[in-house]
Amino acid sequence: DIQMTQSPSPLSASVGDRVTITCQASQDIRHHLNWYQQKPGKAPKLLIYDATNLETGVPSRFSGSGSGTDFTFTISTLRPEDVATYYCQHYDNLPPIFTFGPGTKVDIK
Amino acid sequence: VQLVESGGGLVQPGGSLRLSCAASGFTFATYEMTWVRQAPGKGLEWVSYISNGGTSKYYADSVKGRFTISRDNANNSLYLQMNSLRAEDTATYYCARLFWTRTFDYWGQGILVTVSS
Repeated sequence: DIQMTQSPSPLSASVGDRVTITCQASQDIRHHLNWYQQKPGKAPKLLIYDATNLETGVPSRFSGSGSGTDFTFTISTLRPEDVATYYCQHYDNLPPIFTFGPGTKVDIK
Repeated sequence: VQLVESGGGLVQPGGSLRLSCAASGFTFATYEMTWVRQAPGKGLEWVSYISNGGTSKYYADSVKGRFTISRDNANNSLYLQMNSLRAEDTATYYCARLFWTRTFDYWGQGILVTVSS
């Protein structure tokens, strides 16, 4: 089974800071990696799919990079409304199996 | 697009519960669907997948043999039958639509299941 790890957690930063979260897979997962944002008491929201693609309607300050085993999620300029927990998520196609990372909680310093 | 879960609540260990998810705003029969859960204060865990026609089903190892996913395309509904419930099944359960990009693009509001005596 593929395991996903994330770092750091938690993460505290100031408004306007550049924030970077890393996600590592236990084996090569190519580009099969998505990123979600979850605010307290809410359902998760898709931000990035296939490692680098910004979901429609998501602000451009969010971005993703990487392939293989190492991936990065970046918020270019942290805003107060970005306080949330961010999850990476791997998918297999055959069979359709999905694995979430443990999450990175981001708050304002 | 709207997904609305129901059927949650308090159940004793070893008991059963059936969750429902009512879908609207899209052609339900053409989409694969999933259940994802989140224990209190914990991260997200994928639970189960069902193909658009209902013939293919997959489960996380933690629920295999105890949970059964199903769907009724005529009534735009997704189900999760949960048997032999354990304390560790306590969680908020979300139904989520699976897009062709293998993303969970729409989620329900979630329904709480508590397994306790």
